[in-house]
Amino acid sequence: NAGVMQNPRHLVRRRGQEARLRCSPMKGHSHVYWYRQLPEEGLKFMVYLQKENIIDESGMPKERFSAEFPKEGPSILRIQQVVRGDSAAYFCASSPPNKREMGYEQYFGPGTRLTVT
Amino acid sequence: DAKTTQPTSMDCAEGRAANLPCNHSTISGNEYVYWYRQIHSQGPQYIIHGLKNNETNEMASLIITEDRKSSTLILPHATLRDTAVYYCIVRAAHSGGGADGLTFGKGTHLIIQP
Repeated sequence: NAGVMQNPRHLVRRRGQEARLRCSPMKGHSHVYWYRQLPEEGLKFMVYLQKENIIDESGMPKERFSAEFPKEGPSILRIQQVVRGDSAAYFCASSPPNKREMGYEQYFGPGTRLTVT
Repeated sequence: DAKTTQPTSMDCAEGRAANLPCNHSTISGNEYVYWYRQIHSQGPQYIIHGLKNNETNEMASLIITEDRKSSTLILPHATLRDTAVYYCIVRAAHSGGGADGLTFGKGTHLIIQP
C-alpha cells in the first residue's frame, strides 16, 4: 500500500510566479490536510479537505493561497504570486473515511520544499 | 484542544528505553493523546494514540496516568534512527470521522547517543 505521495519534492519559483503542489492520499483515504513548516519553526495546519469540499481552511492565508481536492486526481495547493516568505516545506497528510472508533491517525507525505528566489 | 507541555530535549543511550513525558493537565474526557515524530527534513510519522488505557504497537508503548493529566511515550530499545522531534498532541475526535488539523507544539528533541 503506497503511502501519501507529494510532488514535486523540490520546487523553485521566482517572486510573482505561481506554485502548484500536488498530493495523492493513501489508497482508500478521503480526507486530506495541508500543513506548512517555515524554516526553524513547527508545523502549522492550513486546510482540511474531503473530496470536492473544503471542510476547514482556518489556517490558510487569506490571499494568494487556495486548495482543492477534486473528485478525480490529487489534491492541489496553489500559491499565486509567490513571495520570499512563502519559502517553506509543505506537507500533506491523509486519513481514512469515517471510522466507528473515535480515534484516528493522519499519515504524512514526504513534503514539497518550496524555495522562492 | 488541551495544551501539552514537553521537555525541549532529551538524551538516551542506544539500546536503552527512551521515556518521553508529556503533561496535558487540562485534557477533556473526549480528547485523545497522539504521538508523532519528525525525523530531520522528513514528514511527520504517526506513532501511537490512546484515550484512557495504555497502548502498545510495534513502534512504542503509551502509558496514560489514571487521571489522564500526563502520559509517557516509551521506545523500548532506542536506536540511532529514533533521533527525532517527538510531538505529543491532544485532540478530540469527531463522531463523523476525520477531523480538523493537528496542532503541533515544539515537541521534544530526542537524541540517541551511540
